[in-house]
Order: sequence, then C-alpha cells, then structure tokens
Amino acid sequence: AQSVAQPEDQVNVAEGNPLTVKCTYSVSGNPYLFWYVQYPNRGLQFLLKYITGDNLVKGSYGFEAEFNKSQTSFHLKKPSALVSDSALYFCAVRPVNNNDMRFGAGTRLTVKP
Amino acid sequence: DVKVTQSSRYLVKRTGEKVFLECVQDMDHENMFWYRQDPGLGLRLIYFSYDVKMKEKGDIPEGYSVSREKKERFSLILESASTNQTSMYLCAGPGPGELFFGEGSRLTVL
Repeated sequence: AQSVAQPEDQVNVAEGNPLTVKCTYSVSGNPYLFWYVQYPNRGLQFLLKYITGDNLVKGSYGFEAEFNKSQTSFHLKKPSALVSDSALYFCAVRPVNNNDMRFGAGTRLTVKP
Repeated sequence: DVKVTQSSRYLVKRTGEKVFLECVQDMDHENMFWYRQDPGLGLRLIYFSYDVKMKEKGDIPEGYSVSREKKERFSLILESASTNQTSMYLCAGPGPGELFFGEGSRLTVL
C-alpha cells in the first residue's frame, strides 16, 4: 500500500525567507501527489497537486512543489514566507487507478516576524 | 469545486452515547470519505462509500459504522462512544484528482 513520510514535525522560518516542507512517498505505479494546509480548528484546504506533466507544480498562495521521481519526493516550497503561512501542512499520495489517498503525519510551519 | 458541509463543528458527548456525524456534498459524486485526524498520526481513513447504500472499511473502522441513504449525504455513526474516540473527524468528497474536505467535527467524549 502507498505511504507518505513527512520527516519534520516542525519547520521554523523567518518572514521573507524561503521555506521548504519535505515529503517523500511510496506507491506502486504512478502517483498522484497533493499538498493540503490546515488552519486551527478548520478542515483541510487543497493547495496543489501533481497529476502528470511538468514536475514543478504551482498552487495557491504562492506555493509550489517539485515532483522528483528518482527521489520519490514532492517537497513544498515558497520563495518568501509570510506570517500568515503559519499552519499545519499535509502531503498526500494516491495511485492513479484508485481513490485510496494516504496522508503524512503533518508538518507544523511557523513563520516568525 | 465540491462543497462539503459537516453539520456539527463541535460536539461533547458522554461515554456510551450514540453519536451521529452528518456530511453533505453538493456535486452528486458517488465517492465520499470519513477520516479521523489525531496529532502525529495525520489522517486515517475510517470508511468510504462509492455509491448509495455501498460502503467499504478503511484502516480504522472498529467502533464506527456509516450510512449512505442518499447520494449527497454520508453519515458516520458511533454506536457507543468511548473516550478514545475523542478526535477531529473530517468528511471529504472527490474533485478532479484531489479530495475536498468539510470544516471538520471536533468530538469530545467525556
């Protein structure tokens, strides 16, 4: 079965600095990959996805992610962090042929002024 | 985008009570999902449904059941709530690849 690893429980960055939230995955066959963000006591909001095509995917709020098939990674990035980006981020993977989506444990991003 | 609505944002129940968590989606999709979210564990799939009256167990179905009488509505049922079911419950419906989530139902069982 597919799985996702988010190796960092917490990421701290200063406002204006670039940020990276890491994700690696395991899946049989080709993957669909996703990033979600969660603000306190809210549901998950979809940020971006990789389905096929260009390995660099751009999403909401200036976020982007790069699919790296050889490293089985899908790291989330943003060139300049905002305090309002502080939230819990989840990476998810599913095979292309079914709806069985698996989530990582989440990474808490804190952006300090 | 699919709009997923969970009727209760916060609930407090007593051990042994029967609990209903309701979820409605507006896009006439066949698939709907219930997840449980706990710190450090991410989201775990409890049940999903791929059509009316059809259901499949996810990874942690014990202590839960579901009901799908109409396509737009998918209910999660705790037959006899226990303290270890205190959690955030998230309902989801499918989009073009991704899932769309409701706002979540935070359940506390005392």
